[in-house]
Amino acid sequence: EAQVTQNPRYLITVTGKKLTVTCSQNMNHEYMSWYRQDPGLGLRQIYYSMNVEVTDKGDVPEGYKVSRKEKRNFPLILESPSPNQTSLYFCASSFEGRGTDTQYFGPGTRLTVL
Amino acid sequence: GNSVTQMEGPVTLSEEAFLTINCTYTATGYPSLFWYVQYPGEGLQLLLKATKADDKGSNKGFEATYRKETTSFHLEKGSVQVSDSAVYFCALSFSGYSTLTFGKGTMLLVSP
Repeated sequence: EAQVTQNPRYLITVTGKKLTVTCSQNMNHEYMSWYRQDPGLGLRQIYYSMNVEVTDKGDVPEGYKVSRKEKRNFPLILESPSPNQTSLYFCASSFEGRGTDTQYFGPGTRLTVL
Repeated sequence: GNSVTQMEGPVTLSEEAFLTINCTYTATGYPSLFWYVQYPGEGLQLLLKATKADDKGSNKGFEATYRKETTSFHLEKGSVQVSDSAVYFCALSFSGYSTLTFGKGTMLLVSP
């Protein structure tokens, strides 16, 4: 089954404790990205990657890191999480990264930073 | 910059009622337009899209027409079902890269 998977689905952590949220897709997509969803703000892009070893900032990159060492994986790293990073996070992928492409979203990771 | 504005929700309807969710956009140039739907506890999935002016996207009884003159992409369905209860997001992107600019989302609640 074609899908985007994220782990963990739920995470409660404390300020300053480094964490990684994994994202993997099995559709051989070139483009991957991370969004965060907050009430009243909709979804905002954090980082995106057009291909392996190519990443770039989205609208809200502060406090986050990403890497793209393999085509299928695009982990999101929070080196020192803070309470304002409490949010619902979605990973997404698309075939070639064109503006007309359909994006496929993972099920989401709900992060709480205490 | 680019932006998408949707009507605020929740929109509450009875089953078989007609649905309209308004969406307008501000952008330089001619973006592709999308409606994504998020069912409770799930990720977003594409509902329909239109990539150029006057295109009509349709899926599962939902329709939306890309109106360049009014910069709009309103979502409609003739007869909603309880199973349509979800949050609906209007979004745009430009050719060359897939970054989506989303509206804030509109929650639809359909009662039997």
